[in-house]
Amino acid sequence: GESVGLHLPTLSVQEGDNSIINCAYSNSASDYFIWYKQESGKGPQFIIDIRSNMDKRQGQRVTVLLNKTVKHLSLQIAATQPGDSAVYFCAEKEMGGGFKTIFGAGTRLFVKA
Amino acid sequence: EAQVTQNPRYLITVTGKKLTVTCSQNMNHEYMSWYRQDPGLGLRQIYYSMNVEVTDKGDVPEGYKVSRKEKRNFPLILESPSPNQTSLYFCASSKRQGAVNIQYFGAGTRLSVL
Repeated sequence: GESVGLHLPTLSVQEGDNSIINCAYSNSASDYFIWYKQESGKGPQFIIDIRSNMDKRQGQRVTVLLNKTVKHLSLQIAATQPGDSAVYFCAEKEMGGGFKTIFGAGTRLFVKA
Repeated sequence: EAQVTQNPRYLITVTGKKLTVTCSQNMNHEYMSWYRQDPGLGLRQIYYSMNVEVTDKGDVPEGYKVSRKEKRNFPLILESPSPNQTSLYFCASSKRQGAVNIQYFGAGTRLSVL
């Protein structure tokens, strides 16, 4: 498949373990955050989002945590599966900032069987 | 099936030869956007459109043009491509729903400019 990034931070986990992917965002005015997953050869795909009035939001096998004090976002994947292997991007947006979304550089997750 | 379709998926061209990458969405989304993705840099926005005939520059608009004559289509035009425009390009669309902005991406177009 196509490489989306040759110099990305990489996280390697054993199948069945939990994964935690971290993201530091840059704009203190950002108040809406999204995680996307990008598999090899495909476009990014929405996973979960969170607004700044929340600290935590859960989805199916995924949890996003937001710490506004230190401008930090994390994505937790429970019971990681081989199909979770991908590049994960966090994105930030100002709710009053129109359409502009800023994407992080991404983290590559490898799941070892 | 709801989707964003880009064409072509792969393109090799030479410096200065005008090209167009098409993007079409079938979800009746108001917002559309073009990004380029380069190793280690994530996605950078080139241009975006908030509705028909409304377009604006993103972070890296130099060397690109767009148009939004119909709601479903948002072509990216490179009038005189240069090697520094070699990249992976993504088109995305999203529905206008207040502050929420969940974007749906196409599969990408890998462009090489020789």
